[in-house]
Amino acid sequence: DVKVTQSSRYLVKRTGEKVFLECVQDMDHENMFWYRQDPGLGLRLIYFSYDVKMKEKGDIPEGYSVSREKKERFSLILESASTNQTSMYLCASRTDYNSPLHFGNGTRLTVT
Amino acid sequence: AQTVTQSQPEMSVQEAETVTLSCTYDTSESDYYLFWYKQPPSRQMILVIRQEAYKQQNATENRFSVNFQKAAKSFSLKISDSQLGDAAMYFCAYRSGSSGNTPLVFGKGTRLSVIA
Repeated sequence: DVKVTQSSRYLVKRTGEKVFLECVQDMDHENMFWYRQDPGLGLRLIYFSYDVKMKEKGDIPEGYSVSREKKERFSLILESASTNQTSMYLCASRTDYNSPLHFGNGTRLTVT
Repeated sequence: AQTVTQSQPEMSVQEAETVTLSCTYDTSESDYYLFWYKQPPSRQMILVIRQEAYKQQNATENRFSVNFQKAAKSFSLKISDSQLGDAAMYFCAYRSGSSGNTPLVFGKGTRLSVIA
């Protein structure tokens, strides 16, 4: 079974802190994604990566950056956390464009 | 840009009954894929069913089936013989088929409650 692991299930950070959300997949997937999930807004794409060291902006990249130094790991970085970044963050991966998307269990981030 | 609309924020169904969740999408493309994902309280998103736009036959997966109306750009999910374990958020999603590594576009979701 494919496993997509997000390092934290719950996270509480203070405004202005630099926050790292980590995602690791164990199936050599090419593509990895970070979504943000908010009630009434569904899933919105923040960033995605086709391959190592490649990244593309999604629909709401402002305030975020990403890093993909190794194929299995895709990190989401909040350079200076703000309260409006309080949300559920979902990581996903897939082999290629034509294969199913596999999700992690999500990280619920609270910024106070 | 493609958009996916789920017009029912919440739905409920009696156990063993049938329920249909609605989804419409907007696209100018002819080649694309549509998906329904389920997110139970555990938060793990699970693929329920997938439909290729070029296929006229509606996809089915056990108790789950879709009604794909390409001209109307409609992609509804029917759950038959509803079970308590079907209670979850359901997301409809779209992916372009005309270019390579395109991400999925999701709707806002429908929360389904199953009443015992």
